[in-house]
Amino acid sequence: DVKVTQSSRYLVKRTGEKVFLECVQDMDHENMFWYRQDPGLGLRLIYFSYDVKMKEKGDIPEGYSVSREKKERFSLILESASTNQTSMYLCASSRRGPYGYTFGSGTRLTVV
Amino acid sequence: AQSVTQLDSHVSVSEGTPVLLRCNYSSSYSPSLFWYVQHPNKGLQLLLKYTSAATLVKGINGFEAEFKKSETSFHLTKPSAHMSDAAEYFCVVRVTGNQFYFGTGTSLTVIP
Repeated sequence: DVKVTQSSRYLVKRTGEKVFLECVQDMDHENMFWYRQDPGLGLRLIYFSYDVKMKEKGDIPEGYSVSREKKERFSLILESASTNQTSMYLCASSRRGPYGYTFGSGTRLTVV
Repeated sequence: AQSVTQLDSHVSVSEGTPVLLRCNYSSSYSPSLFWYVQHPNKGLQLLLKYTSAATLVKGINGFEAEFKKSETSFHLTKPSAHMSDAAEYFCVVRVTGNQFYFGTGTSLTVIP
C-alpha cells in the first residue's frame, strides 16, 4: 500500500535541462517536503509546503523551485540542472502536529 | 538553535548481539524525537517516535529508544541484532512548526 509516490526511481538529465520531480500522497496530509540526500551530509531540506499554494524555503533552496497546486501533489523543479544537483531526492508528507513523516522511495537523479 | 548529533557514523555488531545507536539533540523547546530506518535504495521508514508521553518508546522490529532529558539523548537500542537490521538509521528532532532536523545518519552493519 504505497502512500507517497515519487514518479521516477532513476533519472538521467543533461546539464541545463529543466527537470520536474513529482510527488503524490494519498493520506490527505497538509505538509509536504522535499529533501536531498548526499553521502556524509545526511538529509537537507530544500522546500516544504504546509498548505496548497503555500511554500517555504528550507536550508538549500538555491537552484530549485516548487509547486503545490493541489493538496496531494508537490513538485520540485530544477530550473537549469547542474552536475552538483546529482543526488537522491526524497519527498515526504506529514499531518499537522507532532507526527512523523511518511517518505516516498526516492528519486536518484544524475545530471551529466 | 536546534540540532541533532548522531555520535557514530558507522556501527558494526554481530548477529544476535545488542545494538546501540546514539543520538543527542539540542533544542530550545520540548522536542518530538523520531528514529527512521533506510534500507539500500529505499525511502525512509518510521521506526518510533517520542512526543512527550512515556520516556521509553517501543517501535517496530524490536527497536526501542529512551528519551533522557537530563542527558539530551534519545539512543536507539535492540536486544538482539538480525541480519535484516543492516541499514542506515536517522535520528530526527522536530521542534515547533513544520521543521524537522535530521542527524547525518548511522550505518549499521550486522556480521553473520
